[in-house]
Amino acid sequence: DAGVIQSPRHEVTEMGQEVTLRCKPISGHDYLFWYRQTMMRGLELLIYFNNNVPIDDSGMPEDRFSAKMPNASFSTLKIQPSEPRDSAVYFCASSGDIQYFGAGTRLSVL
Amino acid sequence: AQSVTQPDIHITVSEGASLELRCNYSYGATPYLFWYVQSPGQGLQLLLKYFSGDTLVQGIKGFEAEFKRSQSSFNLRKPSVHWSDAAEYFCAVGGSYIPTFGRGTSLIVHP
Repeated sequence: DAGVIQSPRHEVTEMGQEVTLRCKPISGHDYLFWYRQTMMRGLELLIYFNNNVPIDDSGMPEDRFSAKMPNASFSTLKIQPSEPRDSAVYFCASSGDIQYFGAGTRLSVL
Repeated sequence: AQSVTQPDIHITVSEGASLELRCNYSYGATPYLFWYVQSPGQGLQLLLKYFSGDTLVQGIKGFEAEFKRSQSSFNLRKPSVHWSDAAEYFCAVGGSYIPTFGRGTSLIVHP
C-alpha cells in the first residue's frame, strides 16, 4: 500500500478564500483522523471518522472548518473562509489498531 | 482522561552518544503506548508500540522503549545516536484507536 496520501503538499492562499485539503487513507483502515500542527499548540486532533461516520468533531476550531468522508477511500477538510491564523500543517492519519500518518499539507494563508 | 508529558522540549547529544527521551503518561488502565518520529517536512512515523507482554519493546532504527507501570513512564532509548536521528519525537498513549500525543521532544545531534 502507498500509505496515507494527502494533497496538496503545499497550499498558499489569500485570506477569505476557500481551502480544501484531501486525504486517501490506507485501504482497509476503518478510522480516519485530521490533525493540525503548529508551533504554539503542537499536534491537535480536529476530527475523526469511524467507517466514514464522524465520531468526534470537538477539536474543530470553528464553523469555518468542515470535514467529510463520502466513502472509505476519500476524505476532505475544508476551511471557508480561510484566515491567516489557520496557517499550519494539516495531517491526515488512518488506522486499524495503529495510526499511520500522511506527509501533511502545509497551508499558508496570507 | 489520558495525557502524556514529555518534559524535555529539546535534547542535544553528540553523535555516537547514548540517548534517552522521557515520557510520562496518565491513564486509568493498562495503556497502549507509542513513540513516533517526525523528520522535517514529513509526517509522523511509528518507531515502536507497546500493547502488552514484554515491557522492553524493540522498534525500528535501533530504538527501544521500556514500559514502567510503577513510574507511569515509557522512555525511549538508543545506545548510539546517528546524525540522521535528528528529528522531533512524540510519545502517545491510548486505550484503543485514538491516542493522545505529547508535545514532542526535538533531538539535536552534534557531530
